[in-house]
Amino acid sequence: DQQVKQNSPSLSVQEGRISILNCDYTNSMFDYFLWYKKYPAEGPTFLISISSIKDKNEDGRFTVFLNKSAKHLSLHIVPSQPGDSAVYFCAASAYGTASKLTFGTGTRLQVTL
Amino acid sequence: GAVVSQHPSWVICKSGTSVKIECRSLDFQATTMFWYRQFPKQSLMLMATSNEGSKATYEQGVEKDKFLINHASLTLSTLTVTSAHPEDSSFYICSARDMGHNQPQHFGDGTRLSIL
Repeated sequence: DQQVKQNSPSLSVQEGRISILNCDYTNSMFDYFLWYKKYPAEGPTFLISISSIKDKNEDGRFTVFLNKSAKHLSLHIVPSQPGDSAVYFCAASAYGTASKLTFGTGTRLQVTL
Repeated sequence: GAVVSQHPSWVICKSGTSVKIECRSLDFQATTMFWYRQFPKQSLMLMATSNEGSKATYEQGVEKDKFLINHASLTLSTLTVTSAHPEDSSFYICSARDMGHNQPQHFGDGTRLSIL
């Protein structure tokens, strides 16, 4: 039972353009959502998060949007840079679960020159 | 800030050996740490939640006698894979979160475990 889904296993974007990574979830108890970036053989690096009381959070080039009614969140990266090439995971947690994270399957982003 | 150090980064050992992996939060105190396992081209799977000063909480299907977790201080948790076998070969990653509501987990760089 995959409660957090990233339906696009890969995405290729030209440098300078916008990258949009999508994530869907099924558990209505999730109230905190995060995006992580991961390089091979390294641990995930925290990028940005959003609480369910908000619908948008922005940090520099990264913006996360949350649509609770659709159980959907997205990460926008603009402008995309070659160094953004990595696997991106969305994750979610529910209040009262000791902050346990449920991860999506990941989307590999390739930013081309 | 929010640095998590994991050691060792790579271990190769014979079947039957026990292997200990350390996870340290370097610049914050973590009452809760987490241990994950990642198989090739798959997502991170939570194995257990490590609570400082108390027993770890294991996810369904994870053998607690196989994967021993100790969280003796607010900055250190250890995972010991006991009597490791080739099927235990995997990428193990720990994380720690700072105190407070809605704090993100910060991850170590992982340990590649290869059992021959």
